[in-house]
Amino acid sequence: QKEVEQNSGPLSVPEGAIASLNCTYSDRGSQSFFWYRQYSGKSPELIMFIYSNGDKEDGRFTAQLNKASQYVSLLIRDSQPSDSATYLCAVNMRTDSNYQLIWGAGTKLIIKP
Amino acid sequence: DGGITQSPKYLFRKEGQNVTLSCEQNLNHDAMYWYRQDPGQGLRLIYYSQIVNDFQKGDIAEGYSVSREKKESFPLTVTSAQKNPTAFYLCATSGTSGSFSYNEQFFGPGTRLTVL
Repeated sequence: QKEVEQNSGPLSVPEGAIASLNCTYSDRGSQSFFWYRQYSGKSPELIMFIYSNGDKEDGRFTAQLNKASQYVSLLIRDSQPSDSATYLCAVNMRTDSNYQLIWGAGTKLIIKP
Repeated sequence: DGGITQSPKYLFRKEGQNVTLSCEQNLNHDAMYWYRQDPGQGLRLIYYSQIVNDFQKGDIAEGYSVSREKKESFPLTVTSAQKNPTAFYLCATSGTSGSFSYNEQFFGPGTRLTVL
């Protein structure tokens, strides 16, 4: 069973603090990992992707990947009210003959002013 | 202006009717996908297509049908056989086909379908 697990939240973080979002996945052979942000009533938008173990930084966002622990996380520094959204983790997993993006159910993040 | 368009934005259907949701892209992406999202839940794959005139069932294909006659277009028909079709429908594209392990997807704005 190919699965991606996320805590559904809501995760409440004060404005200016660091928000930490976590995701675990079942397939040890997975190679690529994505974080999407989805505002209420809107479609998901890609904010980060990571392929290699370690950290990848892009502005206020840092993605962290630990393949040995099958764990990927997203850190948001200096959280803003505009960061309030649902964050979806997606992992590219191999199927019988292909690769397929497997989605977590998302973590709802609330940034409190 | 490049992107993915979906129409209509809102759609209301009476029970027993078939409806077709449009998805068009001008990104020249090979792969296209249809997802369904229910409130508070993640995305579930309905159908996907990696190349023109070819498509595969996803995890919840029952009650849905698709076609891929052109690279730019991947319409989804919600048939009367779909017992609970009220949901948010998302079309996505990817520049690489499913045979590659790097598979970032980009989404259209979505269609919200309500059964009356």
